[in-house]
Amino acid sequence: GDSVTQMEGPVTLSEEAFLTINCTYTATGYPSLFWYVQYPGEGLQLLLKATKADDKGSNKGFEATYRKETTSFHLEKGSVQVSDSAVYFCALSDAGQGAQKLVFGQGTRLTINP
Amino acid sequence: GAGVSQSPSNKVTEKGKDVELRCDPISGHTALYWYRQSLGQGLEFLIYFQGNSAPDKSGLPSDRFSAERTGGSVSTLTIQRTQQEDSAVYLCASSPDPKETQYFGPGTRLLVL
Repeated sequence: GDSVTQMEGPVTLSEEAFLTINCTYTATGYPSLFWYVQYPGEGLQLLLKATKADDKGSNKGFEATYRKETTSFHLEKGSVQVSDSAVYFCALSDAGQGAQKLVFGQGTRLTINP
Repeated sequence: GAGVSQSPSNKVTEKGKDVELRCDPISGHTALYWYRQSLGQGLEFLIYFQGNSAPDKSGLPSDRFSAERTGGSVSTLTIQRTQQEDSAVYLCASSPDPKETQYFGPGTRLLVL
């Protein structure tokens, strides 16, 4: 079945550092890809998404590009802030199956130190 | 506007008891999903409702788990004869259409003693 593999955490960086969180997927169809974020004490929020190959999703300075050839959707940010500390989840949905039930990676806990 | 709400926010129960978890989706959202977030299994899909169609129950881990959605709105997830491995955060999400973005509630943290 479909699956998502995420870079293991936790990840600790200093403020203004460059961030990459790796995500690769396995899917039988043509999935949509997502990054969700869970801030401390809050629910899951959609950070960005891409629905087809070569699409780039972006939000709040974060970017991820849908790479079909490498089955990847790595999350990047050029300069992280303390407020970016959260758990990040990569996910896919196979819209060809009719519903967007999400398959999640294991999550990566990110801590940004001032 | 109001987001997805879930109740209770926390639930502690004894092994063998039944529990009911409630989800109020965003008004007008036709699709509703339940997920479970646990230390050992990560985030996993449980069940999906869309309008009046039969639900997709493919993610329910055992027949002790069931869910219903009344009137196309509120949903209840029931766990019968709870086990310690049922301890997790149960998340509900809704979307205006099955192919649209899902909006998550804050979750119900269930602890089975």
